[in-house]
Amino acid sequence: NAGVTQTPKFRVLKTGQSMTLLCAQDMNHEYMYWYRQDPGMGLRLIHYSVGEGTTAKGEVPDGYNVSRLKKQNFLLGLESAAPSQTSVYFCASSLIDLTDTQYFGPGTRLTVL
Amino acid sequence: AQKVTQAQTEISVVEKEDVTLDCVYETRDTTYYLFWYKQPPSGELVFLIRRNSFDEQNEISGRYSWNFQKSTSSFNFTITASQVVDSAVYFCALSESLNAGGTSYGKLTFGQGTILTVHP
Repeated sequence: NAGVTQTPKFRVLKTGQSMTLLCAQDMNHEYMYWYRQDPGMGLRLIHYSVGEGTTAKGEVPDGYNVSRLKKQNFLLGLESAAPSQTSVYFCASSLIDLTDTQYFGPGTRLTVL
Repeated sequence: AQKVTQAQTEISVVEKEDVTLDCVYETRDTTYYLFWYKQPPSGELVFLIRRNSFDEQNEISGRYSWNFQKSTSSFNFTITASQVVDSAVYFCALSESLNAGGTSYGKLTFGQGTILTVHP
């Protein structure tokens, strides 16, 4: 039981490049989330999903897109990376909604030059 | 709007000291949930506790204890006899259960975190 995994762990992009972050969970959780963590700002919700095929915007969705084609996977895409998107990205999942305990992946450190 | 304040940005203690991390929250809802997470230097986020707004009993788990006081909107976390391995960033978080158009969903808000350093 791996819990929540994220790929890749580190990535460096140039401004304007695109990339996709992959999150996978093996706990059969319905809800999945993408957060970004910036110094002094805690974690902020980017997008979340309440089930396969559904997604919704969080607190800071601009510049990101997501997809949940399979229940166990939640993808975060950056179509045209900007330096402001340099951050640590965390994926999380919970059995039910946001009031339930969220279990986090190890994080992806992204640098946009 | 809901808000979580962790006023202590950094705390430094010597091993075996007790330390309390403060968390104050704001919400207009009567049903909500409070969480504490630990982020050690390795970077992952580790779940510590979840408490709902109707359960004001304090909780103890080994060296960890939590004091929930609705009257002051606080959910403080105490580590007794701290150890070097307790060094981490600790986050308090608040979730509200909301309803819109017949669909139940929630919103999780994190505090800014408290950096705890325990020196040998």
